[in-house]
Amino acid sequence: NAGVTQTPKFQVLKTGQSMTLQCAQDMNHEYMSWYRQDPGMGLRLIHYSVGAGITDQGEVPNGYNVSRSTTEDFPLRLLSAAPSQTSVYFCASSPTGLAGYEQYFGPGTRLTVT
Amino acid sequence: GENVEQHPSTLSVQEGDSAVIKCTYSDSASNYFPWYKQELGKGPQLIIDIRSNVGEKKDQRIAVTLNKTAKHFSLHITETQPEDSAVYFCAASISGNTGNQFYFGTGTSLTVIP
Repeated sequence: NAGVTQTPKFQVLKTGQSMTLQCAQDMNHEYMSWYRQDPGMGLRLIHYSVGAGITDQGEVPNGYNVSRSTTEDFPLRLLSAAPSQTSVYFCASSPTGLAGYEQYFGPGTRLTVT
Repeated sequence: GENVEQHPSTLSVQEGDSAVIKCTYSDSASNYFPWYKQELGKGPQLIIDIRSNVGEKKDQRIAVTLNKTAKHFSLHITETQPEDSAVYFCAASISGNTGNQFYFGTGTSLTVIP
């Protein structure tokens, strides 16, 4: 198994540009989520999904869109990038959305918005 | 929402000594408390977790304790080794409308001095 994969590893955007961060998992996990990691602030949940067609907002959803059309993929879209979205983004997956199941994290995407 | 505080932010110990990292949470509905280790340039990896109906859990040199009344939980690493050097994050999980939401502490950078 490849586990959780993320592309790209690095990205530089100009303010106002749009892009999609890709996330895929090959473990048939129901639960997938997106976090951003900023210095001194830990990881903050952006959006999550408990299965295809079901998504919900996390702690910091503004400026981001998600969809879940398949079990494997959970892309994160930035419609109009802002410098405040400069961060490292992690995707994670877990067998279910219930408590007590390990989350597996991808390697991250480092995004810079100028 | 849930607020997770983590202390200390940095910790240096001599090889062979013990390290303790403490976290507090605010929402009594939190029911699952994982700890993650993050090495430079990688995503977080689960090292140990505890459910709200358990007071203590141990896995070789790593242990976690939970005090639900006081709303705090701690990570204990004994006989530290240089490869334990990393950033450690605590988290608290609450059941949301469609699945669990995870709230992370701000991280502790542990350095083990050989």
